[in-house]
Amino acid sequence: DAGITQSPRHKVTETGTPVTLRCHQTENHRYMYWYRQDPGHGLRLIHYSYGVKDTDKGEVSDGYSVSRSKTEDFLLTLESATSSQTSVYFCAISESVGGNEKLFFGSGTQLSVL
Amino acid sequence: KQEVTQIPAALSVPEGENLVLNCSFTDSAIYNLQWFRQDPGKGLTSLLLIQSSQREQTSGRLNASLDKSSGRSTLYIAASQPGDSATYLCAALYNFNKFYFGSGTKLNVKP
Repeated sequence: DAGITQSPRHKVTETGTPVTLRCHQTENHRYMYWYRQDPGHGLRLIHYSYGVKDTDKGEVSDGYSVSRSKTEDFLLTLESATSSQTSVYFCAISESVGGNEKLFFGSGTQLSVL
Repeated sequence: KQEVTQIPAALSVPEGENLVLNCSFTDSAIYNLQWFRQDPGKGLTSLLLIQSSQREQTSGRLNASLDKSSGRSTLYIAASQPGDSATYLCAALYNFNKFYFGSGTKLNVKP
């Protein structure tokens, strides 16, 4: 699992509340990613990070913010959760393996916004 | 915009059959193409990675091919088993270390 831990694993929240998901890695990888997975859409990139305090937007970044104050932690915040943000959220890291960047995933967070 | 497509969305085959899963991408400037397996309620497990300079990669009963010029990759599964039942996703790596995913093919191998 490349030392990736996501927390919480499950979360139920109400519309309008802020929510923060955490991704923790233990192997000092530079690149970290947040994806969401919805039926029929595969995985869509929300935000990614290429170093401490270095982040950029992905395809579906509206309504989300991220922070990376330490190499090992990448936080995803839903500023004011909406029902459309009900999804499974995956954190990933990329690791250079034999000169190739390879993705490894955490176990995911199931988020339900009621 | 980079788009990755997987067709069909679902596939059901009898045990023992050889099968091919398809992945197509609109921008041929990929660095590599990675195939994943996802079991229900679980994360993604990497199966095979093909560099842009390669044509094929093999692991056991799995063989992945890549044709950049036509924007296609295929995952060939030989002698399918019920344990192969899962969703298979492909991801293309582009510039700035960004990975783009297809929506997956859900495979059911019937005993």
